[in-house]
Amino acid sequence: NAGVTQTPKFRILKIGQSMTLQCTQDMNHNYMYWYRQDPGMGLKLIYYSVGAGITDKGEVPNGYNVSRSTTEDFPLRLELAAPSQTSVYFCASSYESAVDTQYFGPGTRLTVL
Amino acid sequence: AQSVSQHNHHVILSEAASLELGCNYSYGGTVNLFWYVQYPGQHLQLLLKYFSGDPLVKGIKGFEAEFIKSKFSFNLRKPSVQWSDTAEYFCAVIPTDSWGKLQFGAGTQVVVTP
Repeated sequence: NAGVTQTPKFRILKIGQSMTLQCTQDMNHNYMYWYRQDPGMGLKLIYYSVGAGITDKGEVPNGYNVSRSTTEDFPLRLELAAPSQTSVYFCASSYESAVDTQYFGPGTRLTVL
Repeated sequence: AQSVSQHNHHVILSEAASLELGCNYSYGGTVNLFWYVQYPGQHLQLLLKYFSGDPLVKGIKGFEAEFIKSKFSFNLRKPSVQWSDTAEYFCAVIPTDSWGKLQFGAGTQVVVTP
């Protein structure tokens, strides 16, 4: 099993550009999550999904969009990138509920200039 | 709104020293509690978790944590650390009535010197 994979590992965007962060898991998990980690701030939940076709907002959803067309994939879309979106982004998945162990990807370091 | 507080942002200690990392949360209802760890260059991974029962929970690599409900605390301990315990440690809480919303603390960077 590859677990949770994320691409790209690093990206630099200009203000106003858009991009999609990819996340794939091969563990047949129902729940998937996107977090952002800022220095000294811990991880903040952006969006989550409890299954294909179902998504919901987390704590900091503004400026982001998600979709979940398959069990495996949970892409995060940034529209009109802003410097405030400079962060490390982590995707995670868990089997059947949020209290199950969450398995994390390696992260994507995004810089918006 | 609920929150999770970790008392120390950085801890430096020598090998064989004891480690205790504090974690407090603010939520009046029933919660599930976790400690996650991120070793240098590795993915964030689960260290241990508490759902119910014995408030003293044992995890991987000799770590344990104690849930004290009256103090809203879930402190992490290890009696004797090794250089390989150098990592960032995150406390996380999810109320049992909250869908999908695990709340993380700010993290504690632990450096163990040889």
